[in-house]
Amino acid sequence: QQPVQSPQAVILREGEDAVINCSSSKALYSVHWYRQKHGEAPVFLMILLKGGEQKGHEKISASFNEKKQQSSLYLTASQLSYSGTYFCGTEIGGSEKLVFGKGTKLTVNP
Amino acid sequence: EAGVAQSPRYKIIEKRQSVAFWCNPISGHATLYWYQQILGQGPKLLIQFQNNGVVDDSQLPKDRFSAERLKGVDSTLKIQPAKLEDSAVYLCASSPSGLAGGEQYFGPGTRLTVT
Repeated sequence: QQPVQSPQAVILREGEDAVINCSSSKALYSVHWYRQKHGEAPVFLMILLKGGEQKGHEKISASFNEKKQQSSLYLTASQLSYSGTYFCGTEIGGSEKLVFGKGTKLTVNP
Repeated sequence: EAGVAQSPRYKIIEKRQSVAFWCNPISGHATLYWYQQILGQGPKLLIQFQNNGVVDDSQLPKDRFSAERLKGVDSTLKIQPAKLEDSAVYLCASSPSGLAGGEQYFGPGTRLTVT
């Protein structure tokens, strides 16, 4: 049931764009995105709900394709502060619990 | 507002010893989660409380792990006896009202090393 994230790692230069994907073999009710910097706690980025509702930070965008059971996180004009590991958490059905993927490590260089 | 507090931040024990972690969630948050995060992996849910009742503990190794949430506020997670594979960061998180309520707020975690 663990979602699959891709790519596993990506290296960017400041100002470049990146897309992080999250896919599940099960029907999803919601997808949650978090970023974790080394040695720190995960920090909330966005929630995408079945039906199209989104809650999150203004500078982060994401999509949720319910039919394909996939979500993508779009990071545009990356900044050094975007570096970290990005995790998607998926909620199957209305289980009210998240299963996190293994993460995508993003490195933004000057 | 104060964040989620956890203690201790670091703990080193020998296998077969016992250990306890403490979590104080954000005031007013009804839902509390304990996650285990092994190096290089995403957080794995161990147990979820709604107020002081258990919502989900399907992935909690109940032969060695136990957790309680006193009066619907603070929570403790105990491991007895510890195994080498328990080495991980244990994260506590809270949210106002479950996943529907939005984001989970994570504490700084307790890094456990079992030798």
